[in-house]
Amino acid sequence: DGGITQSPKYLFRKEGQNVTLSCEQNLNHDAMYWYRQDPGQGLRLIYYSQIVNDFQKGDIAEGYSVSREKKESFPLTVTSAQKNPTAFYLCASSLVRSGRWGDIQYFGAGTRLSVL
Amino acid sequence: GENVEQHPSTLSVQEGDSAVIKCTYSDSASNYFPWYKQELGKRPQLIIDIRSNVGEKKDQRIAVTLNKTAKHFSLHITETQPEDSAVYFCAAILGYATDDMRFGAGTRLTVKP
Repeated sequence: DGGITQSPKYLFRKEGQNVTLSCEQNLNHDAMYWYRQDPGQGLRLIYYSQIVNDFQKGDIAEGYSVSREKKESFPLTVTSAQKNPTAFYLCASSLVRSGRWGDIQYFGAGTRLSVL
Repeated sequence: GENVEQHPSTLSVQEGDSAVIKCTYSDSASNYFPWYKQELGKRPQLIIDIRSNVGEKKDQRIAVTLNKTAKHFSLHITETQPEDSAVYFCAAILGYATDDMRFGAGTRLTVKP
């Protein structure tokens, strides 16, 4: 499945609860990304990280948090501050090549998050 | 405004006809423009990409054209087949010296047999 694994496939969140979505890649990619996809809509960037221990906010970072302690892993936490978390979450990774910006992003299979 | 705008949002063609999807971007420093195809219930997958030092790129029935001056790029699919039915997303790197990429809202292409 392209070397990028997301888990779980389905996740349910209770009111006021924080939940964490896992994303692991074995492609030796430097950059990792989290996107949110709502029905009939495009991909909106939540956070991205180009290097370990560093990450940047995307368009819709409020209510989410990330960490990048290892190159292979980029977990996303959906906090209780995110009032409308129901969506399909996609993780992606890409190479960062010296002197070349932008490269193919490989996506995981996604996590579908619902609110109980 | 939107960093990447994509049109149309839906497109229906007869099998064998051509399909064209257009995107515009706002940052003149953008230099990488990929196109992704997402079939129902599956992950997006790259189908073709182009960099700003190239005006056109082709891969069998798929081609992408880039007009840097006008800041728009287009996906062309010729001899469409029912299996081309999917949602297509364009994307662009936001600015210079970054891997921050933004996607268009998507085009749902339906190819009628």
